[in-house]
Amino acid sequence: GENVEQHPSTLSVQEGDSAVIKCTYSDSASNYFPWYKQELGKRPQLIIDIRSNVGEKKDQRIAVTLNKTAKHFSLHITETQPEDSAVYFCAARTGFQKLVFGTGTRLLVSP
Amino acid sequence: NAGVTQTPKFRVLKTGQSMTLLCAQDMNHEYMYWYRQDPGMGLRLIHYSVGEGTTAKGEVPDGYNVSRLKKQNFLLGLESAAPSQTSVYFCASRPYPLGPQHFGDGTRLSIL
Repeated sequence: GENVEQHPSTLSVQEGDSAVIKCTYSDSASNYFPWYKQELGKRPQLIIDIRSNVGEKKDQRIAVTLNKTAKHFSLHITETQPEDSAVYFCAARTGFQKLVFGTGTRLLVSP
Repeated sequence: NAGVTQTPKFRVLKTGQSMTLLCAQDMNHEYMYWYRQDPGMGLRLIHYSVGEGTTAKGEVPDGYNVSRLKKQNFLLGLESAAPSQTSVYFCASRPYPLGPQHFGDGTRLSIL
């Protein structure tokens, strides 16, 4: 089955810096890669996603890149703000049914 | 439009007790999922359903049962609770065949 590895587990940046979180997946048939943000005590919320036929997608300060050959995808956050502090999860889906999640990255943005 | 609603939000059980967690969605989604979230381990899939009357095992199904008698509801049961089942449980749903997965607010379950 699919396996998703996520790095780093913790990331500390200064406000205004960029942050990059990386994930690798094992199943070359995976075709959908979402990223979720989870604030303390809250539900995971989808912030951006990308399908396997696209190499990059951007939404304001966040972007996701996908390298199918290397089987990895990354989340990029530019001009970080304190409210970006949260745990971020990547995930991969094979076929139409199940998402497999990474173990999460705790992002801390210091003012 | 409430989205995905989970009840209860908190519960404390004693070892050996049973209980049912309810997930309800009002978005007419086909797919529904139950996850557990433990520190440092992300979200792990317990069971899922691809439509009314169907269920399937996920990554960590042992000790849990599920039912999907109505399209809008997905129930997660613990027949004999164990301390290892202390966790935060999230329900999610999404439309068929493609579409983003929406999560409920979670149920924090402690088993003593």
